[in-house]
Amino acid sequence: EAGVAQSPRYKIIEKRQSVAFWCNPISGHATLYWYQQILGQGPKLLIQFQNNGVVDDSQLPKDRFSAERLKGVDSTLKIQPAKLEDSAVYLCASSLWGYGYTFGSGTRLTVV
Amino acid sequence: AQSVTQLDSHVSVSEGTPVLLRCNYSSSYSPSLFWYVQHPNKGLQLLLKYTSAATLVKGINGFEAEFKKSETSFHLTKPSAHMSDAAEYFCVLTNFGNEKLTFGTGTRLTIIP
Repeated sequence: EAGVAQSPRYKIIEKRQSVAFWCNPISGHATLYWYQQILGQGPKLLIQFQNNGVVDDSQLPKDRFSAERLKGVDSTLKIQPAKLEDSAVYLCASSLWGYGYTFGSGTRLTVV
Repeated sequence: AQSVTQLDSHVSVSEGTPVLLRCNYSSSYSPSLFWYVQHPNKGLQLLLKYTSAATLVKGINGFEAEFKKSETSFHLTKPSAHMSDAAEYFCVLTNFGNEKLTFGTGTRLTIIP
């Protein structure tokens, strides 16, 4: 079974620039998550999708972050404009009805 | 509200000695609990999970964890540490139905040769 695919693996941008990350979940997994993991901390949920609908985006900084999951399959997370404190690893995960959560390898973002 | 507390931010053990990583949880409902491992610059890998079946759960690489409802704990153990076990370990909680994962702050395991 193919895993959760994420791209790019690494990204370096200047503050105030925009950036986008892509995630392709495991086929058939209805739930997709984006997590932010700042160095030395545990992952923090940014947004949770069920198919193409948003279940929880309470911790998403909506003034600069946006996410979509068109057609209920792959997803894009965007940051515009980026701040220094957005430097982190962005993890995508998918699951099937609460079982078998699978994480991608993440995208490491550095904002300079 | 649900929460996870990992009691140690850093644990060091000698190779060949037992490992104990401690996790306490708080949940209003019957929880599902997981342990994930994260090696440097790698993604999160599932070690084991508890989903209201047997309270002693065996995972990969010789790890196991015991769910103790009376103590609200889910500690991770391994009888004999290996150098390859050096990594960050996360205790994770979810409640069936909402599928929201709540992470602990992590425990960094160092293995001394």
